[in-house]
Amino acid sequence: EPEVTQTPSHQVTQMGQEVILRCVPISNHLYFYWYRQILGQKVEFLVSFYNNEISEKSEIFDDQFSVERPDGSNFTLKIRSTKLEDSAMYFCASRGTGDPLTEQPQHFGDGTRLSIL
Amino acid sequence: DAKTTQPPSMDCAEGRAANLPCNHSTISGNEYVYWYRQIHSQGPQYIIHGLKNNETNEMASLIITEDRKSSTLILPHATLRDTAVYYCIVNLLMKTSYDKVIFGPGTSLSVIP
Repeated sequence: EPEVTQTPSHQVTQMGQEVILRCVPISNHLYFYWYRQILGQKVEFLVSFYNNEISEKSEIFDDQFSVERPDGSNFTLKIRSTKLEDSAMYFCASRGTGDPLTEQPQHFGDGTRLSIL
Repeated sequence: DAKTTQPPSMDCAEGRAANLPCNHSTISGNEYVYWYRQIHSQGPQYIIHGLKNNETNEMASLIITEDRKSSTLILPHATLRDTAVYYCIVNLLMKTSYDKVIFGPGTSLSVIP
């Protein structure tokens, strides 16, 4: 079964440094998402992306965050200047399109654990 | 978005059916009920969804009450690998761009040998 893959599985970065988290969505999917989960807390929505532009973003997704689909297969999340509170699991998800009556849900990757020192 | 209420935790004996309840009394007519789960250290995994009819797939069954104010996810023969946090989510039909999944605290299911 096709799956969403994320790299790296664990990223350690110094505070203030830029970090890029990478995702390869399922190949025929058109909608892409990033979520994060701080240790012990709920999974939180960050941003959705469709047709090469952001569809919706949460208040967490401030100017330090950006997303990009640089080619036909990758979807990236960049944090420009990391802060300690950015430490979390970051999940990428994707969704295809199809008959709404046979709906396609979001499929999630297993995440990148980001640790800011 | 409609809100859901789930018990914070449940236990189930291995091999028995696990029945996970969810209340969504403010659900509107065009909102689906979705179930996801999150096994420790993994990403959320889609299980099943439905609008008003009962649904079954290879993982689980979803029973939605006639008034649609509550539902039950049934894992027919729970195994140790089913130990996870289970999320009941009510979303508008996921055909638009604005279809973020809003996770609540879920139910932590422990399958006991």
